[in-house]
Amino acid sequence: KNEVEQSPQNLTAQEGEFITINCSYSVGISALHWLQQHPGGGIVSLFMLSSGKKKHGRLIATINIQEKHSSLHITASHPRDSAVYICAVRSRSNYQLIWGAGTKLIIKP
Amino acid sequence: ETGVTQTPRHLVMGMTNKKSLKCEQHLGHNAMYWYKQSAKKPLELMFVYNFKEQTENNSVPSRFSPECPNSSHLFLHLHTLQPEDSALYLCASSRGYEQYFGPGTRLTVT
Repeated sequence: KNEVEQSPQNLTAQEGEFITINCSYSVGISALHWLQQHPGGGIVSLFMLSSGKKKHGRLIATINIQEKHSSLHITASHPRDSAVYICAVRSRSNYQLIWGAGTKLIIKP
Repeated sequence: ETGVTQTPRHLVMGMTNKKSLKCEQHLGHNAMYWYKQSAKKPLELMFVYNFKEQTENNSVPSRFSPECPNSSHLFLHLHTLQPEDSALYLCASSRGYEQYFGPGTRLTVT
C-alpha cells in the first residue's frame, strides 16, 4: 500500500460541477503539495499547505493534519480543468517527497 | 512555461542504442532532479543533484547514467535500455521545497 493514496483514480464530470479529489497519507509530514499535470506532461504546482485551507481562483485546498487527509476542490469546473491532479507529501522524518498516483479528471462540456 | 526545458520531447530508441536526455533551467536553482513516470504509478525519484553533486540515487539501474556539469544543466545518458524503461522522464529544479518541472521526455524503447 502506497503511503499516499488518492481517490478517485478517475473522475468524469460535466462542466459546472463541483469537484472534490481526496488525498490520504500515512506518514508524518511537514507539508502537502497539490500539483496539476496537463496532457503533454508538464507538472505545475498548485498549492503547498501545512494546515488549514488555501484558495486560488476556483481552486480550494484543505488539509486536516489529525486525520492525515487533504482535499482539492474545483468550483464551477470547466473543460480546461481536465488534467491529472497529483498529491505529494513531504516526509517530516527525511524531507523526501512521497507521491500519490494521481487523479485523472475529465470535464465534459 | 516553468523555466525548465527538456529535449527531446519524444524519443524512440532500440535496446542497443545510446541516447541522452537534456534538461536546462534558467531559474538560478541549486537542485535538479530526474523522475520516471509510468502509467498510473506515482512519480519515481531517480537522481538528485545539489550544487552539481549527486545527493540521491534511488537504486536506479546502471543503464541510466546522470551527469550534471553545472547547476543549470542535467543530462540522463541511456544505454541498453529495456522495454519496461518506456515512460515519461521528468526533470525538475528547486531552490527550496517547491519544485519546478520541465515538460518531460516521452521515451519509447523498442
